[in-house]
Amino acid sequence: DIQMSQSPSSLSASVGDRVTITCRASQNISSHLNWYQQKPGTAPKVLIYAASNLQSGVPSRFSGSGSGTDFTLTISSLQPEDFATYYCQQSYTIPQFTFGQGTKLEMK
Amino acid sequence: VQLVESGGGVVQPGGSLRLSCAASGFTFSTYGMHWVRQAPGKGLEWVAFIRYDGSNKNYADSVKGRFTISRDNSKNTLFLQMNSLTAEDTAFYYCAKYFCSTSCYYDYWGQGTLVTVSS
Repeated sequence: DIQMSQSPSSLSASVGDRVTITCRASQNISSHLNWYQQKPGTAPKVLIYAASNLQSGVPSRFSGSGSGTDFTLTISSLQPEDFATYYCQQSYTIPQFTFGQGTKLEMK
Repeated sequence: VQLVESGGGVVQPGGSLRLSCAASGFTFSTYGMHWVRQAPGKGLEWVAFIRYDGSNKNYADSVKGRFTISRDNSKNTLFLQMNSLTAEDTAFYYCAKYFCSTSCYYDYWGQGTLVTVSS
């Protein structure tokens, strides 16, 4: 099974900050990596698919990069509504997707 | 697109529960569907997948042999039959629509239904 690990597990930041979250796969997954945002009490929402493609309707301050085993999600200028938990997900082993453990982004 | 789960509740260890997910706003019969769960305060765990026509099903090792995914395309509904439940199955259960382009991902999720296994 492919294992996904995210770092950091939690992060404190301020509005306007540039934030980067890292996701590492236990084996090469090419660009089959997605990022989701989850706010308390709600279902996850896809932000980025195929490592770097912005889902329709998602603000352009979100971006993704990477391939192979190492990936990053960047928020260029943090907004109040961005405080949430972020998950990466590999979609290389269809249909048995696995998620990272999550990164909780909190207000400093 | 709307996905609405139902059927969650409190069940005793060893008991059974059947979850439903009513789909609307898209051609349900042409999309694979998944169940994903999340224990309270924990991360996301893939549970099961069913192909658009029901011909292929896959399960996480943690539920294999106990859970059964199914669908009724005539009623636009996805199901998850859960048997032999344990405390480790306590979680919010989400149904998710599966979309593939350059990669595959969940483009829509339901709001989730809470299953609590407790005596």
